[in-house]
Amino acid sequence: ETGVTQTPRHLVMGMTNKKSLKCEQHLGHNAMYWYKQSAKKPLELMFVYNFKEQTENNSVPSRFSPECPNSSHLFLHLHTLQPEDSALYLCASSQDPGLTVDHGYTFGSGTRLTVV
Amino acid sequence: QKEVEQNSGPLSVPEGAIASLNCTYSDRGSQSFFWYRQYSGKSPELIMSIYSNGDKEDGRFTAQLNKASQYVSLLIRDSQPSDSATYLCAVTGSNYQLIWGAGTKLIIKP
Repeated sequence: ETGVTQTPRHLVMGMTNKKSLKCEQHLGHNAMYWYKQSAKKPLELMFVYNFKEQTENNSVPSRFSPECPNSSHLFLHLHTLQPEDSALYLCASSQDPGLTVDHGYTFGSGTRLTVV
Repeated sequence: QKEVEQNSGPLSVPEGAIASLNCTYSDRGSQSFFWYRQYSGKSPELIMSIYSNGDKEDGRFTAQLNKASQYVSLLIRDSQPSDSATYLCAVTGSNYQLIWGAGTKLIIKP
């Protein structure tokens, strides 16, 4: 357990479904992130929240919708996804987003998403 | 496009030998450099960070940074089968967000 908890661990959804991924951190961090990890590709930053305010949106399609109700919780709402969206979705947190990240990011265990 | 390049491997190293992992980056303004280890089916975990040119040692791990040549490497001494994993290199971009390499798969053969 890293201090960042993600649920569910695995998710299979149809292209017309709506689902949500949840992330919770108990580290007192101020920044939270959503990443997409596809096989043999670099981690793709999707969204950044700093003190629960969105500061980055890296041209992510609108079928992905983040929500950050407080600095400890982060959601990723999914709707009308495509098969190419199948990947490992990782949540991470850090003390602050704009510093040198001395202690790096702490990642959750990820959600393995399969879109059928 | 700022990039971080790593050889995807797999890199196969005998148990007890030194494993050498390399990473090059394109952004000369990068200030901070990180190595993460990711076991199969698990999330990345930070193992080393380095900010200044030269070497930084932590147990069996040594990170080496050469900003002039824009590369950072990770040496693992006395390699163990438990070191078998994918190693991700990450550097900070101009906005301090991390730019990631695709990772090098390391296999330690008993």
